[in-house]
Amino acid sequence: GQNIDQPTEMTATEGAIVQINCTYQTSGFNGLFWYQQHAGEAPTFLSYNVLDGLEEKGRFSSFLSRSKGYSYLLLKELQMKDSASYLCAVMDSNYQLIWGAGTKLIIKP
Amino acid sequence: GAVVSQHPSWVICKSGTSVKIECRSLDFQATTMFWYRQFPKQSLMLMATSNEGSKATYEQGVEKDKFLINHASLTLSTLTVTSAHPEDSSFYICSATSSPTSGRFSYEQYFGPGTRLTVT
Repeated sequence: GQNIDQPTEMTATEGAIVQINCTYQTSGFNGLFWYQQHAGEAPTFLSYNVLDGLEEKGRFSSFLSRSKGYSYLLLKELQMKDSASYLCAVMDSNYQLIWGAGTKLIIKP
Repeated sequence: GAVVSQHPSWVICKSGTSVKIECRSLDFQATTMFWYRQFPKQSLMLMATSNEGSKATYEQGVEKDKFLINHASLTLSTLTVTSAHPEDSSFYICSATSSPTSGRFSYEQYFGPGTRLTVT
């Protein structure tokens, strides 16, 4: 079966760095997405990785290792507004998105 | 660019009535639209995928006759919850993908703001 695993909840301090991991087992691979979702709102796109390596975009970076079925989202200089759920999603061979359950990130002052 | 709207943003209805939710791509043509349902503290659950002009493909466990999806044009898809019951209360989110020739990459999904349905 297809499976996406990510931690349920993480806590970090304002100004610090946090890494949210995601491991996956899917039928084929056409890229991995990270989305941010604030409570009561729809997800917003953060990043897309299809090749191995690190993609940096401001305070957020995303890493992919296809051989390991592994990705992480790195958030630097955490701000209170970064408190949200972070969803990992993999596009399978049918171009369907397989969603992880999301990681709730709590930022403390 | 790549804006998706949903209407209404929230709705309260009585048990047994039907509710229609609209999803529109405002500045691009959506070749495919997706309908998701999300219960509190849970991840997105894909309900169905629809392509313009053809019947929607429903995920296992989703009742076709209860959740009617119409994708009449490249900018509009509707989800109708028929004979709604309290257990249908949820956050319904649509998303759309643009044609492969536009967007940052072919298959990014652009999400609407969601519709919160409460059935009393």
